[in-house]
Amino acid sequence: EAQVTQNPRYLITVTGKKLTVTCSQNMNHEYMSWYRQDPGLGLRQIYYSMNVEVTDKGDVPEGYKVSRKEKRNFPLILESPSPNQTSLYFCASSLSTQGDSPLHFGNGTRLTVT
Amino acid sequence: DAKTTQPPSMDCAEGRAANLPCNHSTISGNEYVYWYRQIHSQGPQYIIHGLKNNETNEMASLIITEDRKSSTLILPHATLRDTAVYYCIVRGTYYGGATNKLIFGTGTLLAVQP
Repeated sequence: EAQVTQNPRYLITVTGKKLTVTCSQNMNHEYMSWYRQDPGLGLRQIYYSMNVEVTDKGDVPEGYKVSRKEKRNFPLILESPSPNQTSLYFCASSLSTQGDSPLHFGNGTRLTVT
Repeated sequence: DAKTTQPPSMDCAEGRAANLPCNHSTISGNEYVYWYRQIHSQGPQYIIHGLKNNETNEMASLIITEDRKSSTLILPHATLRDTAVYYCIVRGTYYGGATNKLIFGTGTLLAVQP
């Protein structure tokens, strides 16, 4: 089944403890992206990647890192999480970076930083 | 990317058509209009997209005005399961840069009433 898989679905951690949220897609998609969703603020883009080894900042990149060493994987790294990074995170991918290419979303990762 | 404006909320009676408006007055000629929806805290789901012509699929219809400055998503026979937040976004066809920052905003909460 074609899908975007995020892990874990739920994560509770403490301030400063490095963590990684994984994202994998099995559709050979070029474009991948991370979003965070907070009440009243909608979906905000953190980072995106247009292909292997090509990444760029979205609107809220501070405190996050990403890498795209393989086409299928796009992990989100929080080197030193803080409580303001408590949020619902979504990974998404699309076949290409062209305008007529729909995004496919994962089921989300709910992160709590205490 | 062009910004979009949507009403924060709308109601619709079950079985009736739901018409969700979106303004995108700064859209450029090669930007597509996309609609997604998000049910509760699940990952957003792709509904439909279009460039200039009206489009229809098994889920919905998309009507784009001739000047492309606004569009309407039509759910022909709304059911209780269509209660969700609906996002209208635009996506360009250029390869790279800011055009691949996909801005979702806060969307329209559609409440289908029994």
